[in-house]
Amino acid sequence: GAVVSQHPSWVICKSGTSVKIECRSLDFQATTMFWYRQFPKQSLMLMATSNEGSKATYEQGVEKDKFLINHASLTLSTLTVTSAHPEDSSFYICSARSFTSGNEQYFGPGTRLTVT
Amino acid sequence: KQEVTQIPAALSVPEGENLVLNCSFTDSAIYNLQWFRQDPGKGLTSLLLIQSSQREQTSGRLNASLDKSSGRSTLYIAASQPGDSATYLCAAPSGGANNLFFGTGTRLTVIP
Repeated sequence: GAVVSQHPSWVICKSGTSVKIECRSLDFQATTMFWYRQFPKQSLMLMATSNEGSKATYEQGVEKDKFLINHASLTLSTLTVTSAHPEDSSFYICSARSFTSGNEQYFGPGTRLTVT
Repeated sequence: KQEVTQIPAALSVPEGENLVLNCSFTDSAIYNLQWFRQDPGKGLTSLLLIQSSQREQTSGRLNASLDKSSGRSTLYIAASQPGDSATYLCAAPSGGANNLFFGTGTRLTVIP
């Protein structure tokens, strides 16, 4: 149980285009989802927290207009990188939490974004 | 804001050795701490979750301890195997916040 999937697992896009990444909780209802970013040889940094049906809360330094987060249902959250640039190339990982999971977060396998 | 530090940054040991990975955190008002494993280019695998009321958790050859008062946690790996080679991350929330703050990890290499 407690499986989180991400799609796509990797994506290459051209500079200036937008890319959408999906995060799904497969066997539980995710009341809260988190989006992290990991640059090469660095640790994960939280980008934003989203609760189902409400606006995401962004961490300091993360542009909300550039990284659009939607958590429209209890099993799906999406991260859209708008007008992507090469510096947005990174590994994006989502996690999810449910009422029954207590404080534990379950992590997705990540999405490798490369912007050329 | 929580700051998580992991020492050492990298560790190389011969197969069969027991080893300890260290994690320290600045905000001791945590309700849990998690240890993860990350293989190159992959996502996170949760290893152990220690609740604040617990002092340690065990899973197979892994044992994690938590000392909130000193802001420290350790991950003990017994009888290391080459398959244990990976980066190990610890993560702790900040006070009552939901989000996790990650350390920079310890990159472990177990030499056959």
